[in-house]
Amino acid sequence: QVQLQESGPGLVKPSQTLSLTCNVSGGSISRSGYYWTWIRQYPGRGLECVGYINYNGIPYYNPSLKSRATISVDRSKNQFSLKLSPVTAADTAVYYCVFGSGTSAGLDAWGQGTTVIVSS
Amino acid sequence: DIQMTQSPSSLSASMGDRVTITCRASQSISTYLNWYQQKPGKAPKLLIYAASSLQRGVPSRFSGSGSGTDFILTISSLQPEDFATYYCQQTHNTVWTFGPGTKVEVK
Repeated sequence: QVQLQESGPGLVKPSQTLSLTCNVSGGSISRSGYYWTWIRQYPGRGLECVGYINYNGIPYYNPSLKSRATISVDRSKNQFSLKLSPVTAADTAVYYCVFGSGTSAGLDAWGQGTTVIVSS
Repeated sequence: DIQMTQSPSSLSASMGDRVTITCRASQSISTYLNWYQQKPGKAPKLLIYAASSLQRGVPSRFSGSGSGTDFILTISSLQPEDFATYYCQQTHNTVWTFGPGTKVEVK
C-alpha cells in the first residue's frame, strides 16, 4: 500500500519559491502506470490539480498556473517534488501529494496535506 | 478546461436516508469520473473510480453511475460516518478538474 508524506516550509514570502517534497513508501516511484500528483485545496473547499508527473517522467501542469510550477521525481530517494514560483497570496492552500495507479483508477492514496501560507 | 458542476451544493439528511448527488461535466468525459469523500481536517478519500467501480474497502452502500456528461453518486442508507463533503473529479483530459463539492449534513 502506497503511503505519502509531504514536507516543506509552512510560510513563504510573496514573490519567492514554494518548495514541497513528497516521500513515497510502499511502492516504487518508477513503477509503470503510476501518476504522482500535487493537489491543493483553498480555504473553504475548492480542490485544484496543480499538476502531475507520470511514470515516464512527463509532467503535466494546470494552465492556470501560467508556467510557475515544476514537478520532478528523484528516483534514488523515491520522492517527488513541487516548486511554484513566484508565489502570491492566492497560492495559500493545503497542498496534498497524491498517488494514482492510472487515469481510469482515481487518486487512491493521499498524503495528510501540508498548509502553506504566503505572507510577508 | 472541462468544468465540473455538482448539485446540490449541500443537503440535510437523516440516518438511513437514500442520498443522491449529481455531477455534470461541461463536455463528454466517457466514464473518466471519480468520487471522493472528505471529512474536516482530512484528505479526500477515493470512493468510486471510472464512474461506477467501487474502490476496495469502501462499503457497498456507495454506488456510482453515469457516462458522458451526467453522473450520480448514491448512498443507499446513510450512516453516521457518511456525513462529509463529496467531490467528483474528471480525468478525461490532461487537466484534471474537480467539482465544487456537496456537503451532506445531519437533518
